Amino acid sequence: DGGITQSPKYLFRKEGQNVTLSCEQNLNHDAMYWYRQDPGQGLRLIYYSQIVNDFQKGDIAEGYSVSREKKESFPLTVTSAQKNPTAFYLCASSIGLAGEQYFGPGTRLTVT
Amino acid sequence: GDSVTQMEGPVTLSEEAFLTINCTYTATGYPSLFWYVQYPGEGLQLLLKATKADDKGSNKGFEATYRKETTSFHLEKGSVQVSDSAVYFCALSVSGGYNKLIFGAGTRLAVHP
Repeated sequence: DGGITQSPKYLFRKEGQNVTLSCEQNLNHDAMYWYRQDPGQGLRLIYYSQIVNDFQKGDIAEGYSVSREKKESFPLTVTSAQKNPTAFYLCASSIGLAGEQYFGPGTRLTVT
Repeated sequence: GDSVTQMEGPVTLSEEAFLTINCTYTATGYPSLFWYVQYPGEGLQLLLKATKADDKGSNKGFEATYRKETTSFHLEKGSVQVSDSAVYFCALSVSGGYNKLIFGAGTRLAVHP
């Protein structure tokens, strides 16, 4: 089955630690995205990548970093510089930047 | 800037009731409009979409019509089921660069037997 995998589903970290969230897709999509979802709010774009070895900042990139070394993978690192990292993180992919986005199941990160 | 406004929830209905979730938008250019659904603990799924004025998107008994004159894309269903309980997001994308999705805040729907 083709789809997007995010792991783990729940992640707990202590304040001051960097943490990396995994996103893998086997849809052969070129474009991938990371969103953040907070309670009672819509999704906000963190980073997106059109192709391998290329990525662009979204609306709320501060405190986050990404890499795109492989077409299938787009990991997101939440750094200690992110002031309020506790949130639900969603990864998405699309055929191209104009294509329909397909979402993964999400990772809920809690930082205490 | 471009934005989407949805009615606040939660919306609580009995099974077989009629559902309307209001969505209005502000956008430059000619956006495409979407409804996404998020079931508890899961990611988002595209429910329906419309790409130009007067288009009607429909899926699983849900429908929404792109109304340019009122800048609206209200979601409707004639008879809801308990399994429709979820959070519904209205979104738009404006072409030019990339398919950036702008989401509303989401509306939680709870359907009781």
